[in-house]
Amino acid sequence: GNSVTQMEGPVTLSEEAFLTINCTYTATGYPSLFWYVQYPGEGLQLLLKATKADDKGSNKGFEATYRKETTSFHLEKGSVQVSDSAVYFCALRGNNNDMRFGAGTRLTVKP
Amino acid sequence: DTAVSQTPKYLVTQMGNDKSIKCEQNLGHDTMYWYKQDSKKFLKIMFSYNNKELIINETVPNRFSPKSPDKAHLNLHINSLELGDSAVYFCASSQVGESRGTQYFGPGTRLLVL
Repeated sequence: GNSVTQMEGPVTLSEEAFLTINCTYTATGYPSLFWYVQYPGEGLQLLLKATKADDKGSNKGFEATYRKETTSFHLEKGSVQVSDSAVYFCALRGNNNDMRFGAGTRLTVKP
Repeated sequence: DTAVSQTPKYLVTQMGNDKSIKCEQNLGHDTMYWYKQDSKKFLKIMFSYNNKELIINETVPNRFSPKSPDKAHLNLHINSLELGDSAVYFCASSQVGESRGTQYFGPGTRLLVL
């Protein structure tokens, strides 16, 4: 079945550092890929998405490119801020509309 | 207006009790979901409903039962609560074919079973 694997956390960075959170997936067909963010005490919010190969999703300085050849959707940001501290979830939606989430990666950004 | 809302936000109860969590979405979506998030933040899908039909039912105990009175509501009823049911429960909704099925989440209900 479909699955998502993302790098284990926690990840701790200093402000303005470069962020990469790896995500790889296994799926049949042509899934859509998502990154969700969960701030402390809140629900999940869609951060960005990509619906086909080579698409780049971007939002709030975050980017991720749908790489079919490596089955990856790594999240990147060039300069993180303290306010980016949250848990980040990579997710996949398959052709049958079944949604699968990664285990989540906790990011802490220190001033 | 809140797109996906859940009540209550917090729920503290004793083992063995029966409780319900309500979810409403005003997005006009045709599919709603319930997820359980454990203390390690791992998200597990429990149920999804499409046009009042259960289309995904992961291996959850039958003490959990989703109830959908209409397309905008999907409530979660839990019988005989156990300590291990303590978690955060999230409701979500999506529209098949729209934005390739992006799911929109509620704020969560934090359940603590004593």
